[in-house]
Amino acid sequence: AQKVTQAQTEISVVEKEDVTLDCVYETRDTTYYLFWYKQPPSGELVFLIRRNSFDEQNEISGRYSWNFQKSTSSFNFTITASQVVDSAVYFCALSEKATGNQFYFGTGTSLTVIP
Amino acid sequence: EAQVTQNPRYLITVTGKKLTVTCSQNMNHEYMSWYRQDPGLGLRQIYYSMNVEVTDKGDVPEGYKVSRKEKRNFPLILESPSPNQTSLYFCASSLEGQGTNIQYFGAGTRLSVL
Repeated sequence: AQKVTQAQTEISVVEKEDVTLDCVYETRDTTYYLFWYKQPPSGELVFLIRRNSFDEQNEISGRYSWNFQKSTSSFNFTITASQVVDSAVYFCALSEKATGNQFYFGTGTSLTVIP
Repeated sequence: EAQVTQNPRYLITVTGKKLTVTCSQNMNHEYMSWYRQDPGLGLRQIYYSMNVEVTDKGDVPEGYKVSRKEKRNFPLILESPSPNQTSLYFCASSLEGQGTNIQYFGAGTRLSVL
């Protein structure tokens, strides 16, 4: 079974629109970590955020915000006032403390921001 | 500059010809890992290492080998490559010996097996 599900394969938005990327995870562990990474067209993987399972506070960083809800096992990512530079593939990922060292990525969401 | 370096960046080979993709990090990280990225499948973990001489299988270890003789290096070995190993490979490292930490990725190695 897929531990991290990103149901949106591709999303297109017009510049300045807001967009939310969904991430649903599956784990039986009580202690786990969730991540978002960005992969721009140049191909590198860039870390965006890490959140542990005990911290359900939403986080905002500039135009980026993350909504972590344990009740629905979701860790959604919202970009406000999208820009062309936000065009990339975004990956959500999970690491469980019990297994500790294995890392699970979702299949990614490809975001295109149209000028 | 702190970085994870993979070589080569691009590689074309033929079925059955052994190859090694090198990975080196200069951040004194304990944890290192290899992933492959395929369209529609995201990144899948191949092997990881919590420290020198400690390696474990990830989700897709078949057809690959790794070794961790030094802290900074974590080569990926394909003893007998096959076309289904054509993929984009990433090496990553993180500070502590757990995958729960932030991982820093290399630039990737695009491998084609003919």
